[in-house]
Amino acid sequence: KNEVEQSPQNLTAQEGEFITINCSYSVGISALHWLQQHPGGGIVSLFMLSSGKKKHGRLIATINIQEKHSSLHITASHPRDSAVYICAGPEYGNKLVFGAGTILRVKS
Amino acid sequence: ETGVTQTPRHLVMGMTNKKSLKCEQHLGHNAMYWYKQSAKKPLELMFVYSLEERVENNSVPSRFSPECPNSSHLFLHLHTLQPEDSALYLCASSQGSAVGAFFGQGTRLTVV
Repeated sequence: KNEVEQSPQNLTAQEGEFITINCSYSVGISALHWLQQHPGGGIVSLFMLSSGKKKHGRLIATINIQEKHSSLHITASHPRDSAVYICAGPEYGNKLVFGAGTILRVKS
Repeated sequence: ETGVTQTPRHLVMGMTNKKSLKCEQHLGHNAMYWYKQSAKKPLELMFVYSLEERVENNSVPSRFSPECPNSSHLFLHLHTLQPEDSALYLCASSQGSAVGAFFGQGTRLTVV
């Protein structure tokens, strides 16, 4: 069983919709990383956060360390947001535990 | 452009071939990683190098052999691979903790 669970696994949205992707983890982590993977395979770091909320453009990430839960929100979604979104947390030392990813498709 | 460059981007090799994947970063990071991403599975950590020393080997078969000659370069030497080794191999680097690592574009490997 993966120690980092993401939901939903697949998400299709219409352009302009507000999107939420959730991440729950059973490992004790101090920070969490949200990543975006495009169809070509490259991975881009979106957020690294250990408390509260961070915002970058139309993307917002929140985390509740006590509840072991994080969410990634996309406002006014656009087809170019279509990608796989992955959350990851440090298990120990230099080892990251990854979620299985959420495949997002935004239709125009 | 994340500052982590992987070559080649695509590789097709036979089971008896020997090939190498290369990763380069000039971000001044002190840790580098190899990850494997198979179809429909989460990323799996393969190796971690910190200050050019291997600090993690996540039960990877010996047909995968990493090399870190300096803090900016990381190689993954491949020999006698199996078709099930076909996957996307991602390199990453970080300064200290793996959280916040920068990833390369990956090498799409196909073993025939």
